[in-house]
Amino acid sequence: DQQVKQNSPSLSVQEGRISILNCDYTNSMFDYFLWYKKYPAEGPTFLISISSIKDKNEDGRFTVFLNKSAKHLSLHIVPSQPGDSAVYFCAASAYTQGAQKLVFGQGTRLTINP
Amino acid sequence: ETGVTQSPTHLIKTRGQQVTLRCSSQSGHNTVSWYQQALGQGPQFIFQYYREEENGRGNFPPRFSGLQFPNYSSELNVNALELDDSALYLCASSTGQRETQYFGPGTRLLVL
Repeated sequence: DQQVKQNSPSLSVQEGRISILNCDYTNSMFDYFLWYKKYPAEGPTFLISISSIKDKNEDGRFTVFLNKSAKHLSLHIVPSQPGDSAVYFCAASAYTQGAQKLVFGQGTRLTINP
Repeated sequence: ETGVTQSPTHLIKTRGQQVTLRCSSQSGHNTVSWYQQALGQGPQFIFQYYREEENGRGNFPPRFSGLQFPNYSSELNVNALELDDSALYLCASSTGQRETQYFGPGTRLLVL
């Protein structure tokens, strides 16, 4: 049962353009959502998060949008830079049994072309 | 400020053996979570430790166990290793049970 899905395994974008990464979830109990970036041989690096009471959060070039009715969130990167090439994971958080459990999607590999 | 560190970076074991992986949390962080990431998948939650107690577990059997020490560092122990245990094991620390989790570089385990 995949509660968090990233349906695009890969995405290729030209440098300077907008990158849009998408994520869908099924569990209405999720109340916090995060995006992580992962380079090979490194652990995931936290990028940006959003609480379920908001629909948008912005941090520099990164903006996360949350559509609760559609159970969908997206990450926008503007403008895209070569250093943004990495695997991006969305994660949804549920606080259950006294622990904050992160449920991750399968990841989307973003390639920024010069 | 030192981030989350994990040791060893790589490990090779044979089926049936036991393994211990270690994690040092980021300075000021009192909560540690462990995840397993199989090839081509997202990380999967194993369990979380807060104040030296396990306070949440994912769908992993009891042969996966852990410890958290008074300095908030942590160990993940896996007994009776199986081939499917081959994965990247990630540790994440946070300032509290509901705070943003920051990940270490991981330990890559290969079970032969």
